[in-house]
Amino acid sequence: KNQVEQSPQSLIILEGKNCTLQCNYTVSPFSNLRWYKQDTGRGPVSLTIMTFSENTKSNGRYTATLDADTKQSSLHITASQLSDSASYICVVTIYGGATNKLIFGTGTLLAVQP
Amino acid sequence: EAGVAQSPRYKIIEKRQSVAFWCNPISGHATLYWYQQILGQGPKLLIQFQNNGVVDDSQLPKDRFSAERLKGVDSTLKIQPAKLEDSAVYLCASTIRGGDYSSYNEQFFGPGTRLTVL
Repeated sequence: KNQVEQSPQSLIILEGKNCTLQCNYTVSPFSNLRWYKQDTGRGPVSLTIMTFSENTKSNGRYTATLDADTKQSSLHITASQLSDSASYICVVTIYGGATNKLIFGTGTLLAVQP
Repeated sequence: EAGVAQSPRYKIIEKRQSVAFWCNPISGHATLYWYQQILGQGPKLLIQFQNNGVVDDSQLPKDRFSAERLKGVDSTLKIQPAKLEDSAVYLCASTIRGGDYSSYNEQFFGPGTRLTVL
């Protein structure tokens, strides 16, 4: 069964601290993996995308890693800011055809406190 | 570049009533998606259009949900009649194109319509 699991479900950190979010997937055939940020009341916005041949990708203070062998990804946030408070969703694309399908994780809800 | 537009942003109805949502994708985007996002969950695909044709509607509850994309641009999603469990955020997204070329095809999401069914 194609599935994307994320941990933790929620996380509270202090402003300025670092944190790491986890994503495990069982999706085949794999095309790519994205991390999205979803602010409250807004649609998701893509942070990073990686194919199976890429094992790290950065976007400012966000760094994503991918281990295609163990089917695990992580999103590391450095020097967190209050604006990082959001839900972070891991999304894996199933490869192929006109019905390219996205499998969404349930997200990690991050709260950054002053 | 304008983003994906959706309206209304919020809607409150009673069960058994009907409701319709509207989506205007990014200009030139051929592929349009409707998702249902229940609180605390990730989005679930309801229907995918390629231009004005349906590519995937396998998870659309067709007894009460319908969607159309006339002229391959705007789209409407309708629920008739609504049930309590339909309370969710309905997200519309678009990409330039779908299919094999979409490895780097980002889906751009609209702000969503929050539906509350009482």
